[in-house]
Amino acid sequence: EVQVLESGGGLVQPGGSLRLSCAASGFTFSSYAMSWVRQAPGKGLEWVSGISGSGSSTYYADSVKGRFTISRDNSKSTVYLQMNSLRAEDTAVYYCAPHSSGWVGYSSGWDVWGQGTTVTVSS
Amino acid sequence: DIQMTQSPSSLSASVGDRVTITCRASQSISTYLNWYQHKPGKAPKLLIYGASSLHSGAPSGFSGSGSGTDFTLTISSLQPEDFASYYCQQSYSIPYTFGQGTRVEIK
Repeated sequence: EVQVLESGGGLVQPGGSLRLSCAASGFTFSSYAMSWVRQAPGKGLEWVSGISGSGSSTYYADSVKGRFTISRDNSKSTVYLQMNSLRAEDTAVYYCAPHSSGWVGYSSGWDVWGQGTTVTVSS
Repeated sequence: DIQMTQSPSSLSASVGDRVTITCRASQSISTYLNWYQHKPGKAPKLLIYGASSLHSGAPSGFSGSGSGTDFTLTISSLQPEDFASYYCQQSYSIPYTFGQGTRVEIK
């Protein structure tokens, strides 16, 4: 069964850092791009970042560019989201999801999601 | 970036009603349009991909149509488990963008 499990969320002060992890199982991890998607309280879904299957290509939403870094360890079937200079508006539930190919630029929808991990940025 | 606009933002309907949600893209996205159902505290669920293809596991009462800039999600007969929020999402170009969501509530 294809599964992803997010972890690493928590309470952090504005300006602080946090690293999220997403552990995947049930598929050949290195063959598939991965994305992070978030939902702030009372708001809609927002794509945050994506990484190719090889890890050589990364993409970011303008709202996080320069502050967040996506990476992956294919030997551990895990994708990471390093979040620096956190702001109140980064408060959200963060989900990871695999693409249907190794390329971030191709997506036929995300059909596997974890339960998410909650990030709260507050003093 | 491609802007996605859904309407309505919320609606009240009864079990058995036919419900239609529309989604408009700020530029042509061919049929690179997906629909999700999202319930509080749960992971989003893919319902429709490629504008009109029903995802395996999605209830048969859901259907999608459209191409270019205008798209529709239809629930043929609303069931109690269908009360949720629905989002369209374009997969035509990065950054991937979602509509603001449509909340379907019980009348």
